[in-house]
Amino acid sequence: AQTVTQSQPEMSVQEAETVTLSCTYDTSENNYYLFWYKQPPSRQMILVIRQEAYKQQNATENRFSVNFQKAAKSFSLKISDSQLGDTAMYFCAFMGETSYDKVIFGPGTSLSVIP
Amino acid sequence: DVKVTQSSRYLVKRTGEKVFLECVQDMDHENMFWYRQDPGLGLRLIYFSYDVKMKEKGDIPEGYSVSREKKERFSLILESASTNQTSMYLCASRRSLNRGPGNEQFFGPGTRLTVL
Repeated sequence: AQTVTQSQPEMSVQEAETVTLSCTYDTSENNYYLFWYKQPPSRQMILVIRQEAYKQQNATENRFSVNFQKAAKSFSLKISDSQLGDTAMYFCAFMGETSYDKVIFGPGTSLSVIP
Repeated sequence: DVKVTQSSRYLVKRTGEKVFLECVQDMDHENMFWYRQDPGLGLRLIYFSYDVKMKEKGDIPEGYSVSREKKERFSLILESASTNQTSMYLCASRRSLNRGPGNEQFFGPGTRLTVL
């Protein structure tokens, strides 16, 4: 069974600095999708960034980028120029080709951006 | 923008009560999901639905049932609420996987349920 691990339950970063959130996963599949979702306090969860396993190029969305290491089964999220609005719970998620109906979520990392 | 709404943000019920949590999406999505979110455990899938009147068990279906009579509405039912069902419940929707895999899920605001 696939699993998703986020080893940092809580992190903090100074405003305007860069922070990296780690995520590792376990799977025997070759094709899959990885996601980072953001859940701000008392607000709805939204997709931050998505990576397709067959693409070697790391995905980027403005200040958010990933470091996808397929062999190491690692999928970290880098947030550059951190802003107060980045304070949120971040979830790493996995969707395999044999189970596209299910998304497996990690336990989450609570990020606080300090002014 | 996709909008997913849930009937209540906060709900307090007593042990043994039957509880209905409602979710509505306005983007004609085929797939809908119910998760529960607990600290340190992330999101765990309770049930999901491919289409109207279709449902599939997720990872933790015990103590729950669902209903999908209309495409836009997906209800989660706690037949006899227990204290261990105190949690945050999140609904999500997604367009059909037949229209391309890797589609993102759109989430509702969540219902924080307390069972006393």
